[in-house]
Amino acid sequence: DAGVTQSPTHLIKTRGQQVTLRCSPKSGHDTVSWYQQALGQGPQFIFQYYEEEERQRGNFPDRFSGHQFPNYSSELNVNALLLGDSALYLCASSSPGQKAGTEAFFGQGTRLTVV
Amino acid sequence: LAKTTQPISMDSYEGQEVNITCSHNNIATNDYITWYQQFPSQGPRFIIQGYKTKVTNEVASLFIPADRKSSTLSLPRVSLSDTAVYYCLVGGHTGGFKTIFGAGTRLFVKA
Repeated sequence: DAGVTQSPTHLIKTRGQQVTLRCSPKSGHDTVSWYQQALGQGPQFIFQYYEEEERQRGNFPDRFSGHQFPNYSSELNVNALLLGDSALYLCASSSPGQKAGTEAFFGQGTRLTVV
Repeated sequence: LAKTTQPISMDSYEGQEVNITCSHNNIATNDYITWYQQFPSQGPRFIIQGYKTKVTNEVASLFIPADRKSSTLSLPRVSLSDTAVYYCLVGGHTGGFKTIFGAGTRLFVKA
């Protein structure tokens, strides 16, 4: 089982550019959540996708958008990049049915640096 | 969503038992308590989850008192490789709904 995989692992972009990050969930998982983790801080919830729809959203601007595909993989898009968007972006997947006590499995993350 | 409070940092020595306590005074009836471990530049890794009393697995134990307003993660005989940040989360579904991470507890294990 490959677990949660994210690509790319590292990325450098210029202010104002757009970026797309990708995530493949753990086999059998249908829910994908995205987090932003700044250096020295805990992960901050961006949004969650289930059945190809955004179900929950954290306190992030509309520059952050996403998509989930029929195979449950997901993309995170960030437009008009700011220096403050530099962070580790984490993808987490969870098991079907949204059962109580369901744990999330995290990928290794994508390190985005905006210059 | 229940807010959690943990110590910012802890130091220990190899071979010692480490106990990290988390306060969650407004935990809801349906909430579970979950602990994650995170190494630098890696995603958080699930350690243990519980609802009440005591849960034990191959890496840790989780103690939850009857009122469930706090929980204690116990790591037996820590090693240098246990140096990491430990997060306590409270909620119904750590993956099913938005998961709120606090600042975590930075554990530093010394030789």
